[in-house]
Amino acid sequence: DGGITQSPKYLFRKEGQNVTLSCEQNLNHDAMYWYRQDPGQGLRLIYYSQIVNDFQKGDIAEGYSVSREKKESFPLTVTSAQKNPTAFYLCASVDTASTDTQYFGPGTRLTVL
Amino acid sequence: GQSLEQPSEVTAVEGAIVQINCTYQTSGFYGLSWYQQHDGGAPTFLSYNALDGLEETGRFSSFLSRSDSYGYLLLQELQMKDSASYFCASGFQKLVFGTGTRLLVSP
Repeated sequence: DGGITQSPKYLFRKEGQNVTLSCEQNLNHDAMYWYRQDPGQGLRLIYYSQIVNDFQKGDIAEGYSVSREKKESFPLTVTSAQKNPTAFYLCASVDTASTDTQYFGPGTRLTVL
Repeated sequence: GQSLEQPSEVTAVEGAIVQINCTYQTSGFYGLSWYQQHDGGAPTFLSYNALDGLEETGRFSSFLSRSDSYGYLLLQELQMKDSASYFCASGFQKLVFGTGTRLLVSP
């Protein structure tokens, strides 16, 4: 089945450690996105990529980094420079050729201890 | 820039009709989308309005008035499973999401 996968579902890290969240899609979508969601809040854009080997900062990129070496994969690294990393992280992809509908992965809940 | 405002919470009973409003301020307008998110889950796409008027998809309908910078999501024949958060969103290449409305459906 086609879809977007994120792993792991729950992740615990100690303060000061970098951590990488995985996002993979087999929908053949060109565009991929990373969002952060805090409890009771909306989605805020961290980074997005319209095409392989290219990405742009979103509204809250500080303390995060990404790469887009393959069309299927868009990993997000939460660095020690991110002051409040504990949050729910959502990855999404879009088939830009047909629609702007975003298809979301199941999310990763990151807790920094 | 863009900003989209929604009421924080709406309550209703099973079988009722509820309307969730969204007002927006945008430098350019690229249509209005609606997403549903259950607690702990991922948002899923519900509806999209590119032009003024009503779009109907089963029990859910969405309305847009570009002259008023306003849209709404209408949910009919409410069911308990409709209890979730609902977000409006707009943008080109990158979506800006609204503040979200939590819908609580009671028996």
